[in-house]
Amino acid sequence: DAGVIQSPRHEVTEMGQEVTLRCKPISGHNSLFWYRQTMMRGLELLIYFNNNVPIDDSGMPEDRFSAKMPNASFSTLKIQPSEPRDSAVYFCASSLTGGITEAFFGQGTRLTVV
Amino acid sequence: DQQVKQNSPSLSVQEGRISILNCDYTNSMFDYFLWYKKYPAEGPTFLISISSIKDKNEDGRFTVFLNKSAKHLSLHIVPSQPGDSAVYFCAASAGPGGGADGLTFGKGTHLIIQP
Repeated sequence: DAGVIQSPRHEVTEMGQEVTLRCKPISGHNSLFWYRQTMMRGLELLIYFNNNVPIDDSGMPEDRFSAKMPNASFSTLKIQPSEPRDSAVYFCASSLTGGITEAFFGQGTRLTVV
Repeated sequence: DQQVKQNSPSLSVQEGRISILNCDYTNSMFDYFLWYKKYPAEGPTFLISISSIKDKNEDGRFTVFLNKSAKHLSLHIVPSQPGDSAVYFCAASAGPGGGADGLTFGKGTHLIIQP
């Protein structure tokens, strides 16, 4: 398996623009997580899905952020409109529920909003 | 307020010696703990974990110790090798599915192994 795949690896956009980050989880995993890493706050959980259903989105910072998982092999994290303070590395991770298991992370998307 | 704290942003250890990374937590509901390792420009990779029913878990050169009464865990790496130089994240989960319910991370400790 290729692991969790995120795209793009890097994104530079202007303030006010819409940004869409993409994630393909490991095949067979039924939990998917979006994390954000910043210097100030470290790694924060934004939202997670179980079987394509959002379970906990309490970490989503504002209404400008939204996430979808239309099927078991694809998820998006959208920021609209983007702001400079959204600049961070965004990680997607997936895992298998039904037991104690670790989450596997993608390589991340480095977002810069100018 | 941070529920998982790694108070040492960086740690420098000589090759061959023991590296000890520390982590404290405040949420009594946490029952599963993990350590992740992260190289620059890569995502975190799982290293080792421990359930709250244990106080020690060992995997090769890596051992994690859990002290529930002190709400403290530590990662021991012995002997330390140059390839161990990375950022180490402590993480915890309170869900019934262990790590599958989303993890709370510390801010990380940058371990530097000196030759």
